[in-house]
Amino acid sequence: NAGVTQTPKFQVLKTGQSMTLQCAQDMNHEYMSWYRQDPGMGLRLIHYSVGAGITDQGEVPNGYNVSRSTTEDFPLRLLSAAPSQTSVYFCASSYSTGRQETQYFGPGTRLLVL
Amino acid sequence: GQQVMQIPQYQHVQEGEDFTTYCNSSTTLSNIQWYKQRPGGHPVFLIQLVKSGEVKKQKRLTFQFGEAKKNSSLHITATQTTDVGTYFCAGRKGGSEKLVFGKGTKLTVNP
Repeated sequence: NAGVTQTPKFQVLKTGQSMTLQCAQDMNHEYMSWYRQDPGMGLRLIHYSVGAGITDQGEVPNGYNVSRSTTEDFPLRLLSAAPSQTSVYFCASSYSTGRQETQYFGPGTRLLVL
Repeated sequence: GQQVMQIPQYQHVQEGEDFTTYCNSSTTLSNIQWYKQRPGGHPVFLIQLVKSGEVKKQKRLTFQFGEAKKNSSLHITATQTTDVGTYFCAGRKGGSEKLVFGKGTKLTVNP
């Protein structure tokens, strides 16, 4: 199993550009989520999904869109990048809530918005 | 909304000393999880606690979940340089799908 994979590892954007951060898992996990990590702020939940076709907002959803057309993939879209979105983005997956929820994180995408 | 407070923010210890980080929630949690993140790495799941008053051990690490299910702690006995990293707690409110993380405690160990 590859676990949770994320691409790209690094990205530099100009303000106003759009891009998609890719996340995939091969563990047949129902629950997937996106976090951003900023210094001193811990991990903040952006969006999450409890299964294919179902998504919901986390703590900091503004400026981001997600979709979950398959169990494996959960892309995160930045519609119009802003410097405030400079961060490290982590995707995570686990079995559904209510079970032992070992949550696996991807290696992260480091995004710089100029 | 749900908040999870974690203290201290930083902790520096000499190798061999003990270390404890504390997590407090404003609401009752259905479960709490602990993660470790090494510098430059991604969070790695350590454990999940579900029951009121639960205590679990992993070698030198002891995890506790409070009786009211609003607080938790991670204690490391006799720290080693391999324990360096940031430790996060994350809690889920009953009935909620959202996992809320504390801001973490960054542990440094002086050899």
